[in-house]
Amino acid sequence: EPEVTQTPSHQVTQMGQEVILRCVPISNHLYFYWYRQILGQKVEFLVSFYNNEISEKSEIFDDQFSVERPDGSNFTLKIRSTKLEDSAMYFCASSGSGGLTQYFGPGTRLTVL
Amino acid sequence: DAKTTQPPSMDCAEGRAANLPCNHSTISGNEYVYWYRQIHSQGPQYIIHGLKNNETNEMASLIITEDRKSSTLILPHATLRDTAVYYCIVRVPRNAGGTSYGKLTFGQGTILTVHP
Repeated sequence: EPEVTQTPSHQVTQMGQEVILRCVPISNHLYFYWYRQILGQKVEFLVSFYNNEISEKSEIFDDQFSVERPDGSNFTLKIRSTKLEDSAMYFCASSGSGGLTQYFGPGTRLTVL
Repeated sequence: DAKTTQPPSMDCAEGRAANLPCNHSTISGNEYVYWYRQIHSQGPQYIIHGLKNNETNEMASLIITEDRKSSTLILPHATLRDTAVYYCIVRVPRNAGGTSYGKLTFGQGTILTVHP
């Protein structure tokens, strides 16, 4: 069964450093999403991406965040200058042309020291 | 998106049916009811969704009341591996600009514990 994959599973970085989280969505999907979950809190929407542009973003997704689909398979989330409060699980999701159902990856645990 | 209300926790004996309720009294006509679950900080796992009719798949059944103000997720024969946080989410098909399918807004969900 096709699935969303994410790398790395765990990323440790120093405050102020740039990180790139990578996702490989399900191959024929067209809509892509990033969510995050701070430890003990709710899963929060960050951004959705379609047709090579951002279609919706939350207040959390400020200028420090960017997304890109650099090739036909990868979907990345970049945080330019990480802060301690960026420590969280980051989940990528994708949905197909019907768009109704989002399928999530296993997540990347980001730890900012 | 309409707000949902779920009990914070529920218990169920292994092998019995788990019935997880959700209230969504402000749901609008074009909003779908989705259920996801999350096992110990893994990625949320899609279970089932519906608009008006009851739905069944290999994982669960979804019962939506006629007025659509509440629904129940049924796991017919719960196992220990079904212990998870279950989220009931009401979602519009598209965002306001019509450029993407709507985001999922997660609440706190119901912590379901299945006991041996």
